[in-house]
Amino acid sequence: QSVLTQPPSASGTPGQRVIISCSGSSSNIGSNTINWYQQLPGAAPKLLIYNNNERPSGVPDRFSGSKSGTSASLAISGLQSEDEADYYCAAWDDTLKSVIFGGGTRLTVL
Amino acid sequence: QVQLQESGPGRVKPSETLSLTCTVSGGSIRTNSYYWGWIRQPPGKGLEWIGNIYYSGNTYYNPSLKSRVSISVDTSKNQFSLKLSSVSAADTAVYYCARRGLLTGAFDVWGRGTMVSVSS
Repeated sequence: QSVLTQPPSASGTPGQRVIISCSGSSSNIGSNTINWYQQLPGAAPKLLIYNNNERPSGVPDRFSGSKSGTSASLAISGLQSEDEADYYCAAWDDTLKSVIFGGGTRLTVL
Repeated sequence: QVQLQESGPGRVKPSETLSLTCTVSGGSIRTNSYYWGWIRQPPGKGLEWIGNIYYSGNTYYNPSLKSRVSISVDTSKNQFSLKLSSVSAADTAVYYCARRGLLTGAFDVWGRGTMVSVSS
C-alpha cells in the first residue's frame, strides 16, 4: 500500500482530456513538491512534470500538473495513442525521510 | 547530454550481496546540482526509491532498506555503485540508476535499467 494513492487505472478516447489524481498527506504533498513520471511499456520511467507543474524541455504542453493541499493531479489533454503508459507521482516525505512513489496509474487509450 | 548505464550480474543467490554499477557519460558526476540515485521496480509492480549519493560521498537511504544498502561513488571513473546485502526473492526487480536534481528532487535522467533475479 503506497503512501501516495493513485487510481490503478484510467482510460479515455483519442482527443479526450484525462486527469490522474495523487492523494497524500501533510508530510509529503502538503509540504513538498510533486513530480510525475511516465513509463511506456518496457521502458524506463521518464520525467513528465516537476515542481508540481513544470514541464522538462521536450514534454508536450498537453501534459500539465497541479497541486492543492495534500492532493495533486496530472492532466493530459488531446489524448493520443502514444500516451498509453503507466504514470507515477512522487514526492519527498518528511516523516518517512524517503522519496515515495504512488502505486501508479495505467492509462489506456480506447 | 548525460546518459546513465547500469551494469552487473543478472542473477544473485539468496543471502548473497547484489552489486551494481552505474556509469555516467556525457557529463561529470562531480556536480553540485545533482544527486545520483537508485530506484527499483519488482516485476509488474511500482517504483521504490533505494537511495541517493552526492559526489562528495554523502548518502541518503530509504529507511526500509537502510540496514542492507550501501551506495558509493568513484569520481575518477565517473561511476556510482549499489550494494544490497542478504538478498531474498523479494529483491528481484529491475534496478534503475538515475540523476536527481538537488533543488527539484526530480529524477530527470534515467538509465535503461537492469533486471536482477534472486534465485539459487
